[in-house]
Amino acid sequence: ETGVTQSPTHLIKTRGQQVTLRCSSQSGHNTVSWYQQALGQGPQFIFQYYREEENGRGNFPPRFSGLQFPNYSSELNVNALELDDSALYLCASSSAPTDNYGYTFGSGTRLTVV
Amino acid sequence: GQNIDQPTEMTATEGAIVQINCTYQTSGFNGLFWYQQHAGEAPTFLSYNVLDGLEEKGRFSSFLSRSKGYSYLLLKELQMKDSASYLCAVREGNAGKSTFGDGTTLTVKP
Repeated sequence: ETGVTQSPTHLIKTRGQQVTLRCSSQSGHNTVSWYQQALGQGPQFIFQYYREEENGRGNFPPRFSGLQFPNYSSELNVNALELDDSALYLCASSSAPTDNYGYTFGSGTRLTVV
Repeated sequence: GQNIDQPTEMTATEGAIVQINCTYQTSGFNGLFWYQQHAGEAPTFLSYNVLDGLEEKGRFSSFLSRSKGYSYLLLKELQMKDSASYLCAVREGNAGKSTFGDGTTLTVKP
């Protein structure tokens, strides 16, 4: 079975620009969660998608938005980038929103905003 | 909302046993997870507890007390490769959101 793949692995953007990050979930998983991890901190929940619908959102502004596609892959879009958006963005898939097997994480996208 | 506390750093000796504690406050507990994260890598799932008690999985065990809002991860027969950050995460409600602590950086010394 394939794991979770994210693209791109690294990205540098200028403040004010927009960015799209992509994630392919593990085979058989229908739930994708996105997290932001700043250096030295734990991952912070952005939102979760289950069967193409948003299934929960963390304390992030509306300029953070997402999509999930029929094949359960997902995108995270961030508009009007700010310097504080610089972080590792992790995509995590699971077989259901509340399964017992934890998340399978991708390797992440390292976003730098300058 | 949730508040999760774990020690920032711990050091232990190869071959020894170490216990990493996690305390949490939540308004809708629906499971506690432990993840391991090596520097520069993604977290990997270690264990899951939803009922009180001990779950054992090889060299790793995890304990939960829901009434105390307390969990620990026990690592036995420490190896150098166990040097990593260990993240405690609490799932709240049925929406599947998991809130993570900031992690405990464990350094295993020879």
